[in-house]
Amino acid sequence: DQQVKQNSPSLSVQEGRISILNCDYTNSMFDYFLWYKKYPAEGPTFLISISSIKDKNEDGRFTVFLNKSAKHLSLHIVPSQPGDSAVYFCAASALNSGTYKYIFGTGTRLKVLA
Amino acid sequence: GAGVSQSPRYKVAKRGQDVALRCDPISGHVSLFWYQQALGQGPEFLTYFQNEAQLDKSGLPSDRFFAERPEGSVSTLKIQRTQQEDSAVYLCASSPLRLSNYGYTFGSGTRLTVV
Repeated sequence: DQQVKQNSPSLSVQEGRISILNCDYTNSMFDYFLWYKKYPAEGPTFLISISSIKDKNEDGRFTVFLNKSAKHLSLHIVPSQPGDSAVYFCAASALNSGTYKYIFGTGTRLKVLA
Repeated sequence: GAGVSQSPRYKVAKRGQDVALRCDPISGHVSLFWYQQALGQGPEFLTYFQNEAQLDKSGLPSDRFFAERPEGSVSTLKIQRTQQEDSAVYLCASSPLRLSNYGYTFGSGTRLTVV
């Protein structure tokens, strides 16, 4: 049972435009959500996080939105740059329940076209 | 070191061979995790250490998988009698805290290919 789903395996966006990556989850106990970025042959690197007490978190060009009622989060990148081309994973955890592990989605490959 | 270091980067094993994968976490990090990433999938949790104690090994797929962190720093993931389905990238991650809402720092992984 996939608790964290990224239904779009890939996405292509023109440089300078907005990239929107989506993630759905099923477990209502999840209270922290992360986005990781992964380049080939490297480990995932932390990008941005959001707590379930918020509905938006912004860091420079990256904004994460959380819709708890829909169990949906999204990552917006604006403006998109060629260096943003990577695989993006969303991950979720139920930290306030005392757990410590993150459950990852299957990833979305973003390609930003110059 | 500055980051999480894993070795070897690549390992080719014949089916039935035993392998050992090493992880050097960031110095002082309390928490250490092993994840398995199959091709086209996201990382999947294998096991978790808090210092030298293995608090959760629920993700280990079979009793052929064994992990240890005897002195609370370096960790080794051992796979006995490797099978083709063990082929994956094995990621190690560490965190300074027991619970982290900022995620973990991952190493670059060890790509294991079982032939």
